[in-house]
Amino acid sequence: SQKIEQNSEALNIQEGKTATLTCNYTNYSPAYLQWYRQDPGRGPVFLLLIRENEKEKRKERLKVTFDTTLKQSLFHITASQPADSATYLCALGDGGFKTIFGAGTRLFVKA
Amino acid sequence: DGGITQSPKYLFRKEGQNVTLSCEQNLNHDAMYWYRQDPGQGLRLIYYSQIVNDFQKGDIAEGYSVSREKKESFPLTVTSAQKNPTAFYLCASSSGTGDNEQFFGPGTRLTVL
Repeated sequence: SQKIEQNSEALNIQEGKTATLTCNYTNYSPAYLQWYRQDPGRGPVFLLLIRENEKEKRKERLKVTFDTTLKQSLFHITASQPADSATYLCALGDGGFKTIFGAGTRLFVKA
Repeated sequence: DGGITQSPKYLFRKEGQNVTLSCEQNLNHDAMYWYRQDPGQGLRLIYYSQIVNDFQKGDIAEGYSVSREKKESFPLTVTSAQKNPTAFYLCASSSGTGDNEQFFGPGTRLTVL
């Protein structure tokens, strides 16, 4: 069955460092991959989308890579800030209406 | 302000009762979705609708029902047939096919007493 794996352990980093989150998937050929941010008790907020034919996408302090051979995406936050502390969700889609979400990785940025 | 709203934020229900969760959007989006989120699990798709008067079952539709009589509204009913309904429910909308970003509502936390 289709599966998305994100590190279930929380990631703790110091302010100013780069946070790197991983998303691995199996039994799926996605047309695109999305990253969302979710704060406690709130709905997710869209951050970035990268398509299968793209290797890297950037938006301000965010960078996403997508390796369809390794079936992996890396999500980087450079110059991290305490305000970046949240849960980050990876999501895959095949171009239709259904999107598969990972369980997310919790990020804590210490001042 | 454009956006997607859900109500109520918290909902308590006795076993055996049906309950309806509201979802409204003023983004003029065609597609709407209902997800369920449990601790340590990804969002799981309950139902989705591509257009008014049409909806499709997602991965965990059993014990739930929906309607899409208006473009801006997509209510979800949690029936007594749902064995474990306590969860965080999220409604979302998007403008078209899946590669468009989904806009999520603030969620409804349902607790069955």
